[in-house]
Amino acid sequence: QKEVEQNSGPLSVPEGAIASLNCTYSDRVSQSFFWYRQYSGKSPELIMSIYSNGDKEDGRFTAQLNKASQYVSLLIRDSQPSDSATYLCAVTRDSNYQLIWGAGTKLIIKP
Amino acid sequence: KAGVTQTPRYLIKTRGQQVTLSCSPISGHRSVSWYQQTPGQGLQFLFEYFSETQRNKGNFPGRFSGRQFSNSRSEMNVSTLELGDSALYLCASSLWDSGGEAFFGQGTRLTVV
Repeated sequence: QKEVEQNSGPLSVPEGAIASLNCTYSDRVSQSFFWYRQYSGKSPELIMSIYSNGDKEDGRFTAQLNKASQYVSLLIRDSQPSDSATYLCAVTRDSNYQLIWGAGTKLIIKP
Repeated sequence: KAGVTQTPRYLIKTRGQQVTLSCSPISGHRSVSWYQQTPGQGLQFLFEYFSETQRNKGNFPGRFSGRQFSNSRSEMNVSTLELGDSALYLCASSLWDSGGEAFFGQGTRLTVV
């Protein structure tokens, strides 16, 4: 089992709809969780960080964390074609503070 | 505030040569991590340096090495280059000493011919 798992996609969502991206992790004591966006040929860009259970909102983005279920998600409201990218989930391994990365979900927003 | 700077941006090397890549982290950041990314692959962790010490290491052969200087700038070196080393090499810096938010440089695209 991979430490951080994401559906590779592609996930196709109509413009204006809500895109929902999911990530599960195996280290029960992980404390820090991050979502990154990576456009093709570019480097990853931090979108959201979340550290406690519940929702965290920033503009059109909402991160949701459920530590009991070892699950973190990213919702993108009013999806735009510019949101088309690969979204990477990252989790801090508590034992050595290393960031562990999922393989990413490719999101396509259809105009 | 300047971001993470990686040099050079592009590099073409011949098989068997060696290469050194440089990364200057965000001012005040003490942790620098290096990643390899190939088409269709996720981020493959190479190593992380914190306060001039290698704190974590990924599963790469010994041809891949790195170091960090007292000003937190970091270099990674790849010796005896192979065609399979062609990739985007990314550097990320963090403020925390506990795996906090990481900020990436633009990367160095290495092509081995």
